[in-house]
Amino acid sequence: NAGVTQTPKFRVLKTGQSMTLLCAQDMNHEYMYWYRQDPGMGLRLIHYSVGEGTTAKGEVPDGYNVSRLKKQNFLLGLESAAPSQTSVYFCASSPWPQGTQYFGPGTRLLVL
Amino acid sequence: GQQLNQSPQSMFIQEGEDVSMNCTSSSIFNTWLWYKQDPGEGPVLLIALYKAGELTSNGRLTAQFGITRKDSFLNISASIPSDVGIYFCAGPRRSAGGTSYGKLTFGQGTILTVHP
Repeated sequence: NAGVTQTPKFRVLKTGQSMTLLCAQDMNHEYMYWYRQDPGMGLRLIHYSVGEGTTAKGEVPDGYNVSRLKKQNFLLGLESAAPSQTSVYFCASSPWPQGTQYFGPGTRLLVL
Repeated sequence: GQQLNQSPQSMFIQEGEDVSMNCTSSSIFNTWLWYKQDPGEGPVLLIALYKAGELTSNGRLTAQFGITRKDSFLNISASIPSDVGIYFCAGPRRSAGGTSYGKLTFGQGTILTVHP
């Protein structure tokens, strides 16, 4: 039981490049979330999903897209990376809305 | 908006000392959560509070849900080196229809350093 895993762990992009961050959970959780963490700002919600095939915008969705084609996977895409998207990205999952959110180890992204 | 303000922003303490930190909001929260983030890791839930006035302990950690529902406090007793990390408060972020769908608003965190 691996919990929540994220790939890659670290990535460097040039401005304008695209990439996809993968989050996988093996706990059969319905709810999944993508956050970004910046120094002094805590974690901010980018997008979330309440079940397979659903996605919704969070607090800071601009510049990101997501997909939840399979229940266990939640993908975060950057179509054209910008330096402002340099951050640490965390994925989380939860069995129900009020349930504990279990976080992955994070992906560190540097956009030059 | 539903903003959470944590204080202090950072703390440098000696091993064995007690620690207190708090979280305040201009909005009412019905649930308060306290997370800890170890260096290089994702946050882990420490304590969840669901009722105004509630006092809950988890080992050396004690958290309280403020009576006004606009604040919460976390205390750590007899700190040890492994208490090092960032402590976040968080609460459900409500949508226009009143449903949070588990969306969380996080405070900016309190960075704790413990000197042996």
